Amino acid sequence: SQQGEEDPQALSIQEGENATMNCSYKTSINNLQWYRQNSGRGLVHLILIRSNEREKHSGRLRVTLDTSKKSSSLLITASRAADTASYFCATSNQAGTALIFGKGTTLSVSS
Amino acid sequence: KAGVTQTPRYLIKTRGQQVTLSCSPISGHRSVSWYQQTPGQGLQFLFEYFSETQRNKGNFPGRFSGRQFSNSRSEMNVSTLELGDSALYLCASKPPESRGEQFFGPGTRLTVL
Repeated sequence: SQQGEEDPQALSIQEGENATMNCSYKTSINNLQWYRQNSGRGLVHLILIRSNEREKHSGRLRVTLDTSKKSSSLLITASRAADTASYFCATSNQAGTALIFGKGTTLSVSS
Repeated sequence: KAGVTQTPRYLIKTRGQQVTLSCSPISGHRSVSWYQQTPGQGLQFLFEYFSETQRNKGNFPGRFSGRQFSNSRSEMNVSTLELGDSALYLCASKPPESRGEQFFGPGTRLTVL
């Protein structure tokens, strides 16, 4: 079953613009992670935010977490063509042994 | 360190056959997880192994099985293949100090005809 649901499903922007994608989840979490997947390849871990954190930065990435609304957002600033990929949020099961992914947002950045 | 490797990268099988996929985790990682990715169902957890023991299993039929060896390498097996088993199978490993981050391999693309 899907824990996170990303919104929008697809996003098309121009290089240099910012991209924002949102994720909602259903149960309480210890942390929430974001992963990137380039076309049909493996996932790359981008950032992890703990449940007691509200915002976290990593390079051009900014992640926010609102546990009261059970939602998170990923902001990519100054997008590049190389950012074209699918982005997934993921939470862990209670035992921390499995990741539960949303359906992802497909980002297309054109030059 | 070398990343997670998966073999083979591509595989074509016919219905009813069985298949074995292999995963070598990053050196020092003892936890290996498997995920199935399809356009319809998205990314779904199959199972997780740690020190040769299955710690968790997703909601998949018994045709899906796995094992882990003493060197942490893992295999998953799917018997009596069905068309719906066509998917990208991803393996991920996790270091001991992980807060939850997993490191994924490139995946094995299985096509069932």
